[in-house]
Amino acid sequence: QKEVEQDPGPLSVPEGAIVSLNCTYSNSAFQYFMWYRQYSRKGPELLMYTYSSGNKEDGRFTAQVDKSSKYISLFIRDSQPSDSATYLCAMSPNTGNQFYFGTGTSLTVIP
Amino acid sequence: DADVTQTPRNRITKTGKRIMLECSQTKGHDRMYWYRQDPGLGLRLIYYSFDVKDINKGEISDGYSVSRQAQAKFSLSLESAIPNQTALYFCATSRAGGEDTQYFGPGTRLTVL
Repeated sequence: QKEVEQDPGPLSVPEGAIVSLNCTYSNSAFQYFMWYRQYSRKGPELLMYTYSSGNKEDGRFTAQVDKSSKYISLFIRDSQPSDSATYLCAMSPNTGNQFYFGTGTSLTVIP
Repeated sequence: DADVTQTPRNRITKTGKRIMLECSQTKGHDRMYWYRQDPGLGLRLIYYSFDVKDINKGEISDGYSVSRQAQAKFSLSLESAIPNQTALYFCATSRAGGEDTQYFGPGTRLTVL
């Protein structure tokens, strides 16, 4: 079983839709949770960062962490064509020695 | 200027050749990482370094070696390249303590024929 599981998609939505992206994990030691956005032929860029459980909002993006269910989510409101990218979840334990990445979900927002 | 740079950005080589990929950062971070990305497999850690004198193997270190020449420089070598090392390679950095996250370079696309 992989440390982090993420549905690869692809996911295709119309402009303006609410998008929900999810990851599950098996290691209860994970404390830091991140979402990265990766455009084609580019490196991943940090989108959201959350420590422990709870919600975090930044503009149209909301990250949720449910440690009891070992489940994290990223919501994108009012999705735009510029949101079309691959979204990677990542997490690490307290020590931060290693980061564990999901395989990424490919999202296309259709104008 | 980009905070994390990688050279070369693209490289085509032949089986058996030795290849070096270089990474430089201006973020002042102590920690540096090398990953490879393959379709369907995501990002996999090859090596990481927490400071100049520290080198650690990651998930898939076989066939690779690294050198941390300075705080800002971390290079990855393929001693004898093979076709299944064809992939997108990323360097990343993070700081010790505080917000625990990583910053990635633009990637090197390596093709081994």
